[in-house]
Order: sequence, then structure tokens, then C-alpha cells
Amino acid sequence: AQSVTQLGSHVSVSEGALVLLRCNYSSSVPPYLFWYVQYPNQGLQLLLKYTTGATLVKGINGFEAEFKKSETSFHLTKPSAHMSDAAEYFCAVTFSGNTGKLIFGQGTTLQVKP
Amino acid sequence: KAGVTQTPRYLIKTRGQQVTLSCSPISGHRSVSWYQQTPGQGLQFLFEYFSETQRNKGNFPGRFSGRQFSNSRSEMNVSTLELGDSALYLCASSLDGLQTDTQYFGPGTRLTVL
Repeated sequence: AQSVTQLGSHVSVSEGALVLLRCNYSSSVPPYLFWYVQYPNQGLQLLLKYTTGATLVKGINGFEAEFKKSETSFHLTKPSAHMSDAAEYFCAVTFSGNTGKLIFGQGTTLQVKP
Repeated sequence: KAGVTQTPRYLIKTRGQQVTLSCSPISGHRSVSWYQQTPGQGLQFLFEYFSETQRNKGNFPGRFSGRQFSNSRSEMNVSTLELGDSALYLCASSLDGLQTDTQYFGPGTRLTVL
């Protein structure tokens, strides 16, 4: 069965430090991968996605992620954290034929300390 | 372009009652997906509608149902409410529900069952 694992339910970084949020997926077929962010009392906003092509994907707000097939990973990074990055982040995966369905990881809450 | 809208934003019901939630997708989007978000189970896929037909379904009991209208607006119904149905219900719309499509999420409906 396909699944997504996000390592670390809480990550804390200092403002200006590197942000690294980990995501691993399990699948026997090629995945389509997404990172979403959720601010309190709001829906989810897409940060970036990998469908095909270049494995390094750049998203909004300075975030990027690299699809590594050999490691079944899609980790999210940002070189320098900002206070406004504090939120919950979700990695999601879907597959060909799986219309309209995203499979989400459990989420990682990012805390940014001044 | 207006985003995905969900009504109502908050609902309080008692056990045994039924509830209907509404979702208006982004103009031009034909696929609407519904998700349940809880602290314990995270984000779980309920079902997806496309052209007024349920095309994909998650692992939820039959008490959870939905429909889609010709203008792509969608409703979700939960009958015989249980305490465990308390959750944030999110809908998301996309062009065609394909794996490469981005799902755009609404702000959610917060359902509390007493």
C-alpha cells in the first residue's frame, strides 16, 4: 500500500537557520509528490509539487524540494527561516489512476524561534 | 479568481443528528475532493466527485455521502453523527482531478459533535 512518512512531528529552528522537513514515501509505482502548508484556522496551501521532469523543484516563499527515487524521499528545505514560516507542513503523494485523492503524511509543525 | 469556499465555517451538532456541508469550487474546476482532518488520524480522503459522479472513495462508512451538482458545487452529508465525527472537513477543487493537477483547498468547516 502507498503511504507517506514525515519524520519529526515537531521541528524547531532559529530565525535565519536552515529548514529541513523530511518526507519519505512508499510506493511500487511512480509517485506524484506535493508539499502543502497550513496556517492556523486555514486550509492547505500548495508550496510545490513534483510530477515529472526536473527532480529539484522550487516553490513559493523560497522553499524547494528534491525528489530522490533511490531514497524514496522528497525532503523540503529553505535556506533561511523566517518567523512567518511557522506553520504545519504536510507532504502528500498520489499515483496514476488515483483520481482526486492525495495521501498525506501526519504533518510536521515548524516552530521558528527569534 | 475567487478561491474555494466552504459553508458554514463552524457547526455544532449533537449525536444522532445529520449535517450537510457545502463546497463551491474555483470557477472552471470540475473535480471536488473531500477530506477529514483530525488530530489523531490526520488528513484522510473521503471521496472525489467529477461531472456529478463519485469517481473515487476512501475508507469511510456509508454514513458519509456526497453529491455534486451540474455547476460543480458539491455537498457532503454525514448522517447519524457520532462523537468521533468531530473534525475539520476540507474540500479541494482541481481542474480534472488528475495526478498532475493542483488541488486548491477551502478554509474548511469545523464540525463539533456533542
